[in-house]
Amino acid sequence: QQQVKQSPQSLIVQKGGISIINCAYENTAFDYFPWYQQFPGKGPALLIAIRPDVSEKKEGRFTISFNKSAKQFSLHIMDSQPGDSATYFCAASISNSWGKFQFGAGTQVVVTP
Amino acid sequence: DAGITQSPRHKVTETGTPVTLRCHQTENHRYMYWYRQDPGHGLRLIHYSYGVKDTDKGEVSDGYSVSRSKTEDFLLTLESATSSQTSVYFCAISESMREAGDTQYFGPGTRLTVL
Repeated sequence: QQQVKQSPQSLIVQKGGISIINCAYENTAFDYFPWYQQFPGKGPALLIAIRPDVSEKKEGRFTISFNKSAKQFSLHIMDSQPGDSATYFCAASISNSWGKFQFGAGTQVVVTP
Repeated sequence: DAGITQSPRHKVTETGTPVTLRCHQTENHRYMYWYRQDPGHGLRLIHYSYGVKDTDKGEVSDGYSVSRSKTEDFLLTLESATSSQTSVYFCAISESMREAGDTQYFGPGTRLTVL
């Protein structure tokens, strides 16, 4: 049973468009929500992360929006570029849980020129 | 890949044979993890280690064992490989788990096929 549900499975966006990926969780004890980016043949790499004490975090073209009451968080990729084509994973963890992350199933993003 | 190597990178084996995957780090990080990645499941934690000789089970530990005799090496063993263990295996490391939020750095992965 997946504790973090991610959607959509895949999306295609034109260059310059906005990519939006959503995640939902059930466990209210989760207090750290990272997003990982993975290119084919590579390991995942941390992209951006948020804690529930803020509703939004922005780093360059990447923004996390967090809705604690709805138990949802999302990744927005602004001005999407072909180099952003990758698989994105959301995750959640609990403090002092030995870093045990619960990952979403992943979203494959394709940015067309 | 943050000073993490995995070996082998690719392996094909037969059902019933033992298989050992190795993760080696040069970062001197205390925490190490083994995940498997399967389509539709994301990454699932198999086992993790919070120090030399200190290991514990993750959510999908059945059929796997681990050992950590040195800070830099974390071994994952499939005692008797089955086709359901065909997957891509990732090792990850983290410097500190005093509170959730410390980055996990992932290795390049090992693609294992069990025939």
